Amino acid sequence: QQQVKQSPQSLIVQKGGISIINCAYENTAFDYFPWYQQFPGKGPALLIAIRPDVSEKKEGRFTISFNKSAKQFSLHIMDSQPGDSATYFCAASGNSGSRLTFGEGTQLTVNP
Amino acid sequence: KAGVTQTPRYLIKTRGQQVTLSCSPISGHRSVSWYQQTPGQGLQFLFEYFSETQRNKGNFPGRFSGRQFSNSRSEMNVSTLELGDSALYLCASSSTRGGTEAFFGQGTRLTVV
Repeated sequence: QQQVKQSPQSLIVQKGGISIINCAYENTAFDYFPWYQQFPGKGPALLIAIRPDVSEKKEGRFTISFNKSAKQFSLHIMDSQPGDSATYFCAASGNSGSRLTFGEGTQLTVNP
Repeated sequence: KAGVTQTPRYLIKTRGQQVTLSCSPISGHRSVSWYQQTPGQGLQFLFEYFSETQRNKGNFPGRFSGRQFSNSRSEMNVSTLELGDSALYLCASSSTRGGTEAFFGQGTRLTVV
């Protein structure tokens, strides 16, 4: 019940295209859903996060869509750029303290 | 504002040895969490410290331990190292509990030979 399932495992997109990564969770106690971006040799960097009281949050080219009834959330990267090529992780946390439960990760490649 | 600092960046240890990793959180942050990242298991939660007390613990053996000091700096110790402990160990700091606004350091790459 603590798992967060992420798909796809890998994604190849052309420059200027839209990248979409999906996550699903089971634990209804989760109330915070961040996305992290990780480049090789670096730690994960917080990109954007959402709470269940809103269905969408947008920051620049990054948008989180949240479907509470389906227990799913997704990251949309608009106008994808080669510099966006990285591994993306969704995560969730709830009322158990600073424990982030991570998805398996999606390796995004944006071709020029 | 300085970010999360982890030292050392790289470590090579022999099976059976012990190792101590250090994490300095963002100034003012009182919560420090540790994660293990491996290709096979992904990112897994080890434990969280808040105000010098362990508040949460993941599903790791007792060989993994940690502590937090009064200045919020944290150390993680792994005793009797096994080959499977080879991983990137990440520290995250947050101003609050609940996993919100957690910022990661660059990690310590531990290789056990």
